[in-house]
Amino acid sequence: GEDVEQSLFLSVREGDSSVINCTYTDSSSTYLYWYKQEPGAGLQLLTYIFSNMDMKQDQRLTVLLNKKDKHLSLRIADTQTGDSAIYFCAFLRNQGGKLIFGQGTELSVKP
Amino acid sequence: DTEVTQTPKHLVMGMTNKKSLKCEQHMGHRAMYWYKQKAKKPPELMFVYSYEKLSINESVPSRFSPECPNSSLLNLHLHALQPEDSALYLCASSQVYRGRAQPQHFGDGTRLSIL
Repeated sequence: GEDVEQSLFLSVREGDSSVINCTYTDSSSTYLYWYKQEPGAGLQLLTYIFSNMDMKQDQRLTVLLNKKDKHLSLRIADTQTGDSAIYFCAFLRNQGGKLIFGQGTELSVKP
Repeated sequence: DTEVTQTPKHLVMGMTNKKSLKCEQHMGHRAMYWYKQKAKKPPELMFVYSYEKLSINESVPSRFSPECPNSSLLNLHLHALQPEDSALYLCASSQVYRGRAQPQHFGDGTRLSIL
């Protein structure tokens, strides 16, 4: 079946790097995503990676994909208080186009 | 700012009321989605429209009725809701390429409270 797992909480100091991890079971997806949700807001598409890539970098964000271990991570460099939010990893199931979400990691950034 | 616009932002209604949630996008996306989200939980898919036709209904109770009048608009009609239906309702849209949905873009949601 489909399963996406994330740790529920992460706390870091401002200026440190944050690493949010995600493991999944379905390896057939073409896309894997990271969404950010701030309190009271919708989901913001942060970045995504194609399944044939190992790494994608976009300014302070680095996504790593280890297909062998079915492990996806999001690294945020120089974490700021504005990065405090819930981060969801998700993958797109090829058949039907359904987006499967992890439980979300609540990132808390302390000054 | 999101490119998917949802109205209203907040809605309070009684269990006997009829109301509608609206969603609009002008990105030319041909797939649109309704999700329900409880606090600090991931969104749960409700409905998917592809090229204005309903393609997925995730066994949603009939008190929720979706409608896609055209490729830019998506409505969710509500009738006789229950207190457990209180949640954030999110709309999303995506492009479709070679029959496959592309990354989904979400609106800011409608926060619904049932009295």
